[in-house]
Amino acid sequence: KQEVTQIPAALSVPEGENLVLNCSFTDSAIYNLQWFRQDPGKGLTSLLLIQSSQREQTSGRLNASLDKSSGRSTLYIAASQPGDSATYLCAVRRGGADGLTFGKGTHLIIQP
Amino acid sequence: EAEVAQSPRYKITEKSQAVAFWCDPISGHATLYWYRQILGQGPELLVQFQDESVVDDSQLPKDRFSAERLKGVDSTLKIQPAELGDSAMYLCASSYLSTSGGDTQYFGPGTRLTVL
Repeated sequence: KQEVTQIPAALSVPEGENLVLNCSFTDSAIYNLQWFRQDPGKGLTSLLLIQSSQREQTSGRLNASLDKSSGRSTLYIAASQPGDSATYLCAVRRGGADGLTFGKGTHLIIQP
Repeated sequence: EAEVAQSPRYKITEKSQAVAFWCDPISGHATLYWYRQILGQGPELLVQFQDESVVDDSQLPKDRFSAERLKGVDSTLKIQPAELGDSAMYLCASSYLSTSGGDTQYFGPGTRLTVL
């Protein structure tokens, strides 16, 4: 059974810092990996999707990398802002139309 | 921009009562998912539909939960009877499987259920 682990569980940094969130998964036979953001009491917003054949994806200040063979992904946030404060969730998909298996998330606080 | 709609946003009920949640996916999205998210955890898949057919309901507690998508568009998730442990956020998501194979799941705002 696929298991997804996210480290750290919580992170608090001053505004302007660059930071890295980590995600690991136990079964490397994935179809794709997706990073989401969740604000308190809200639904999930998709940030980046990386196909299993890709190494990284970028969107604005966000960059996600994927090392499928080692079962790892990182989300890099450049020049963090207070508005980036949220919980960040990593999820993997086994097959093209399968449901997602999520980690527990990293709760991020950016201090003004 | 098209969004996944869910209602109600909040529901408080007493244990042993029946509750129902509704989801309307993004137009044209054939695949619909229901997830349950307990506070402090990641979402867990309950059921997946492809059009009107159930593709995966292996994690759905079928003794009390049921889900339907009769016309392959909107969907209803029902719990009867509700138990204290059902208190959670219920999230609906939809996706359009493109010809390239890669697709993104789009999530609705969720229904926060509290069972007293």
